[in-house]
Amino acid sequence: AQTVTQSQPEMSVQEAETVTLSCTYDTSESDYYLFWYKQPPSRQMILVIRQEAYKQQNATENRFSVNFQKAAKSFSLKISDSQLGDAAMYFCAYTSGTYKYIFGTGTRLKVLA
Amino acid sequence: GAVVSQHPSWVICKSGTSVKIECRSLDFQATTMFWYRQFPKQSLMLMATSNEGSKATYEQGVEKDKFLINHASLTLSTLTVTSAHPEDSSFYICSAPRLAGIGNEQFFGPGTRLTVL
Repeated sequence: AQTVTQSQPEMSVQEAETVTLSCTYDTSESDYYLFWYKQPPSRQMILVIRQEAYKQQNATENRFSVNFQKAAKSFSLKISDSQLGDAAMYFCAYTSGTYKYIFGTGTRLKVLA
Repeated sequence: GAVVSQHPSWVICKSGTSVKIECRSLDFQATTMFWYRQFPKQSLMLMATSNEGSKATYEQGVEKDKFLINHASLTLSTLTVTSAHPEDSSFYICSAPRLAGIGNEQFFGPGTRLTVL
């Protein structure tokens, strides 16, 4: 069975600094997709970034980028120039073969002014 | 981006009553929708997959007779919590993919907070 693990329950970062959130997963599939979702206090889930496993190039979206290491089954999220609005729960998610998502346990990010 | 709404945003009910939660895709059609449950400070746990025109598929351990799902149209799925008890109190979230194809982004509703007294 596929699993997604986020080993950092909570992280803090100073405003304007860079922070990296970790995610590892386990799967026997060769074709799959990975996501980072943000859940602010409003509880609305927002897509941050998406990575196709068959693409070697790491996805980037403005200040957000990933380090996708397929062999190591690692998918970390780097947030550059952190802003107060980045404070939220961040969930790593996996899907393969169906639309079903498997979520990690989440990392709470605090941004310090 | 696509919009998914949920109604109500919060509901309080007495133990033993039934509660219906609606999930609507406002600007796209969704043949498949998903229902999640999220306990405080925890992750989203998939409860069931709602399929338009057919029976829902429930995850292991989810009581299908307690959590009734009806996907009546391409834009509406409902989750009915029957004979609710305090342990059913939780945050319920639905999602739907706007585009067909595995790996496409899913859009999430804002969630419904259920409190059972």
